[in-house]
Amino acid sequence: SAVISQKPSRDICQRGTSLTIQCQVDSQVTMMFWYRQQPGQSLTLIATANQGSEATYESGFVIDKFPISRPNLTFSTLTVSNMSPEDSSIYLCSAGETGANGAFFGQGTRLTVV
Amino acid sequence: DQQVKQNSPSLSVQEGRISILNCDYTNSMFDYFLWYKKYPAEGPTFLISISSIKDKNEDGRFTVFLNKSAKHLSLHIVPSQPGDSAVYFCAAGGNAGNMLTFGGGTRLMVKP
Repeated sequence: SAVISQKPSRDICQRGTSLTIQCQVDSQVTMMFWYRQQPGQSLTLIATANQGSEATYESGFVIDKFPISRPNLTFSTLTVSNMSPEDSSIYLCSAGETGANGAFFGQGTRLTVV
Repeated sequence: DQQVKQNSPSLSVQEGRISILNCDYTNSMFDYFLWYKKYPAEGPTFLISISSIKDKNEDGRFTVFLNKSAKHLSLHIVPSQPGDSAVYFCAAGGNAGNMLTFGGGTRLMVKP
């Protein structure tokens, strides 16, 4: 199993500002993903972080709002840009090799935008 | 269009009894299904998975059953313990890379 560290664990941010969330995996992994869990909702995939190329975004999510970096096989960042209160959510980093063995998650970043 | 659904938002069970959490899906192209447990302020923890070619997988107190014809899976926890109280998510994958599609979650409360 992979150990995934995310930081910050929580933050309160002013609207209009940006926050960058970091995700560090303790071993090299092929696949890294970013999910969002809005209050009372399930986990929704934002994008797949591709090493060496641009991230692949799901419907409803765009690079300008959620730029992602993946400089190597153990690290990724997600930036939430120009935040509004609607961006208040838990953001989760996930990593794994093959889905059937279970992707592993970081502890999440609880973001509150005021 | 929700491809994975958990129709029960919550479930309450007495300690020692069986907990049964249900999940339905619509996409027959899913290759595997997983269950995750999530405590507040923590990320989801992988519990157990099942391949679409199987109908049962067991790991200790946890058993997952898959009924492909009904597009239905369930997680059985026997015996239930107070520490099992958490939100349980079912997830499905394999139809598009390694991304997972999650259900809405079921909050399980195991009463002592």
